[in-house]
Amino acid sequence: KQEVTQIPAALSVPEGENLVLNCSFTDSAIYNLQWFRQDPGKGLTSLLLIQSSQREQTSGRLNASLDKSSGRSTLYIAASQPGDSATYLCAEQGGTNFGNEKLTFGTGTRLTIIP
Amino acid sequence: DARVTQTPRHKVTEMGQEVTMRCQPILGHNTVFWYRQTMMQGLELLAYFRNRAPLDDSGMPKDRFSAEMPDATLATLKIQPSEPRDSAVYFCASGLDQISRTGQNSPLHFGNGTRLTVT
Repeated sequence: KQEVTQIPAALSVPEGENLVLNCSFTDSAIYNLQWFRQDPGKGLTSLLLIQSSQREQTSGRLNASLDKSSGRSTLYIAASQPGDSATYLCAEQGGTNFGNEKLTFGTGTRLTIIP
Repeated sequence: DARVTQTPRHKVTEMGQEVTMRCQPILGHNTVFWYRQTMMQGLELLAYFRNRAPLDDSGMPKDRFSAEMPDATLATLKIQPSEPRDSAVYFCASGLDQISRTGQNSPLHFGNGTRLTVT
């Protein structure tokens, strides 16, 4: 059974700081890795998707990296803002022939940006 | 702005009652997933469909859960009979699997979920 781990479970940082969220996975045949954001009472919003052939993806102040050999991904948030407060989940998809199949989610990191 | 629509948003029911949750995936998406989220277990995959065909429902308790896609615009998840341990938030997500054409996936799009409470 594939496992995805996110540490820490919760993180609080002052506004304006840069921060890194960590994700580790056991699937050596990873197909892609996705980072999601979840606001209270809401569904998940996809932030970045990294294919296994890629090393990183960037969107605005967000940068996600993928290191398959070490089984790790990081989400870097630059110049954090109070609006970044949310739970961030990573999810990996193992190598299959089916495409968007069986995303295995981590339990998330609850991020609080202190104004 | 296309989005996945789930109904109802909240459902409170008594143990033993039937519960039906509905999902309208994004038009044009060919994969649909049902996930359950609890504090203890996080997000668990219950079932998923590709081109309306069920591919895997091994995550569902088969004696009480059933998932169907009557047409491309509607996916349903039914629990009969419901139990208190089924209390959770149930999410539907849709995506476009285009590996064979482009060699890449598209991200999954999630609905806002149905919060189910079984008393």
